[in-house]
Amino acid sequence: DAGITQSPRYKITETGRQVTLMCHQTWSHSYMFWYRQDLGHGLRLIYYSAAADITDKGEVPDGYVVSRSKTENFPLTLESATRSQTSVYFCASSAVDTQYFGPGTRLTVL
Amino acid sequence: DQQVKQNSPSLSVQEGRISILNCDYTNSMFDYFLWYKKYPAEGPTFLISISSIKDKNEDGRFTVFLNKSAKHLSLHIVPSQPGDSAVYFCAATGSARQLTFGSGTQLTVLP
Repeated sequence: DAGITQSPRYKITETGRQVTLMCHQTWSHSYMFWYRQDLGHGLRLIYYSAAADITDKGEVPDGYVVSRSKTENFPLTLESATRSQTSVYFCASSAVDTQYFGPGTRLTVL
Repeated sequence: DQQVKQNSPSLSVQEGRISILNCDYTNSMFDYFLWYKKYPAEGPTFLISISSIKDKNEDGRFTVFLNKSAKHLSLHIVPSQPGDSAVYFCAATGSARQLTFGSGTQLTVLP
C-alpha cells in the first residue's frame, strides 16, 4: 500500500544501547523528516533530508544520527540511548509544503 | 523561545456548535500555515492549510483564518462533531520546508 510506514511501533530499550527506528515511504517524496513528540512541546524536528545523501539538523539533533542512501528510506539511530530520549517519534515526508506523517514509534529507554 | 504558540491546551464544545482553535506566531518569515489533527496512537493527519497571500481558506466544515498583521491564525469547525475530538496542532513554515509546530490543543466535542 502507498504511504509512509514506521517500524517498530513500540520499542523498549536500556540506557546506552543503540536503537534504530525505520521509516519507509512509497510516494517518492524528496523531503523526509524526523520529529519527536513530548508533552508540552508539540512536535520538534530532529533531522530532515532534502534528497538521498542530503541531511541536515533540526531543532533537537543531539544524540541522533540519520542516513538516507535511498529516497524511500530514512532511518533514525540513537547511538547510545538515554532516558531523556524516551518519546514518541514520527517520520514524515513531503513533496512541497504539506508533510504527511507515519503512525509513530513509541520508544521507552529504561 | 516558541515561534508558534497555542495558548489553550484544551477546549470543550457542545456537538453542533462552533469550535475555534487559535494559534499565534512570532516569525514574520513564515508564509505557509497548516493545521493537523491527531488521534491517540496515530500520526498527525493534515487537515487544512493557508498561504500568507490569503486570509481565509475553507474546506467543508473547516475554515482557517489568517491575520498577518496580528500574526494570528484560527481554525473554525462548524458544526462540531464528536469525531472531531482530537489534538489539533498548528504549524508554520518559511522557505526551508521545515515545519514549526505549536504545542497542540485537545478538542473535546461533547454529545
